[in-house]
Amino acid sequence: EPEVTQTPSHQVTQMGQEVILRCVPISNHLYFYWYRQILGQKVEFLVSFYNNEISEKSEIFDDQFSVERPDGSNFTLKIRSTKLEDSAMYFCASKGRGGPSSYNEQFFGPGTRLTVL
Amino acid sequence: AQTVTQSQPEMSVQEAETVTLSCTYDTSESDYYLFWYKQPPSRQMILVIRQEAYKQQNATENRFSVNFQKAAKSFSLKISDSQLGDAAMYFCGSGGGADGLTFGKGTHLIIQP
Repeated sequence: EPEVTQTPSHQVTQMGQEVILRCVPISNHLYFYWYRQILGQKVEFLVSFYNNEISEKSEIFDDQFSVERPDGSNFTLKIRSTKLEDSAMYFCASKGRGGPSSYNEQFFGPGTRLTVL
Repeated sequence: AQTVTQSQPEMSVQEAETVTLSCTYDTSESDYYLFWYKQPPSRQMILVIRQEAYKQQNATENRFSVNFQKAAKSFSLKISDSQLGDAAMYFCGSGGGADGLTFGKGTHLIIQP
């Protein structure tokens, strides 16, 4: 069964450093998402991406964040200058065809745990 | 804007019994869907059940069913014949089409053998 994959599973970085979290969505999916979950809290939406551009972003997704689909398979989240409060689990998700009004399931990857020291 | 409220931080149930997890929501969308995701200790997000808001019939997936009350904006999850493998965090949420999903704070479900 196709699945969303994410690398690395755990990333440790120093405050102020740049990190890139990588995701490989399911191959025929068109909509891509990043979510964040601070330990013990709810899962929060960051950004959605469709047709090579951001379609929606939350208040959390400020100028230190960026997303990119550099090739036909990868979807990346870059955090330019990490802060302590960026420590969280970051989930990538993808959704298949059916148009923007369809209710296809969002499939989540296993997450990348980011620790900022 | 959408908000989702789960008022039960933790629930406990005996194995083989039935438990209901509560969820209320608010949305300005006219076209939306609701869902429950399960998050075991591995922290993987697994879809349990989904309900399109325009459908009147409550969704069912094996031992999992929902009670969708659209006017009351209520969407509870019933788990029948609880099993040890059901122990997890359960997140209720809503979404509209291609939008990002909005989750509640979660309910920690404990299954007692």
